[in-house]
Amino acid sequence: GQNIDQPTEMTATEGAIVQINCTYQTSGFNGLFWYQQHAGEAPTFLSYNVLDGLEEKGRFSSFLSRSKGYSYLLLKELQMKDSASYLCAVKDSNYQLIWGAGTKLIIKP
Amino acid sequence: ETGVTQTPRHLVMGMTNKKSLKCEQHLGHNAMYWYKQSAKKPLELMFVYNFKEQTENNSVPSRFSPECPNSSHLFLHLHTLQPEDSALYLCASSQDEGGAYEQYFGPGTRLTVT
Repeated sequence: GQNIDQPTEMTATEGAIVQINCTYQTSGFNGLFWYQQHAGEAPTFLSYNVLDGLEEKGRFSSFLSRSKGYSYLLLKELQMKDSASYLCAVKDSNYQLIWGAGTKLIIKP
Repeated sequence: ETGVTQTPRHLVMGMTNKKSLKCEQHLGHNAMYWYKQSAKKPLELMFVYNFKEQTENNSVPSRFSPECPNSSHLFLHLHTLQPEDSALYLCASSQDEGGAYEQYFGPGTRLTVT
């Protein structure tokens, strides 16, 4: 079966750095997405990786290793507004998005 | 503002009621999706429409019936639901179903079945 694993919850301190990991086992691979979802709101797109390596976008970076079935989202200079759930999703060989259950990130002052 | 709107935002219905959820996208996209989101579970894809044609129906019970009259509008008709159908129902759209296109989500309808 197809599976996306990510930690259920993480806690970090304002101003610090946090890394949210995602491992996947899917039928084929056509890219990996990260989304942010604040409580009670819609998920919003953060990043897309299809080739190995690091993609940087301001305070957020996303890394992919296709051989290891692994990705991480790195958040720097954490702010209170970064408290949210972070969803990892992979497009399989049929271009269907397979979703992880999300990681709830709690930022403490 | 993501360009995808959903109504109603909240809905409480009895098991014998019939109701409909509405989704509209103002982004010129060709693909639209219905998802079910339950607490601490992955997003469950229910239906996909690409160029108004249904391309996915992920073993969804017949008490959920989708309708896509044009590429901007998507409905989810509900009848004789069960309490376990209580969840957040999210609509999304993307430029196309395939490829590297990200999905844009609406704010969701919080459904409670009593």
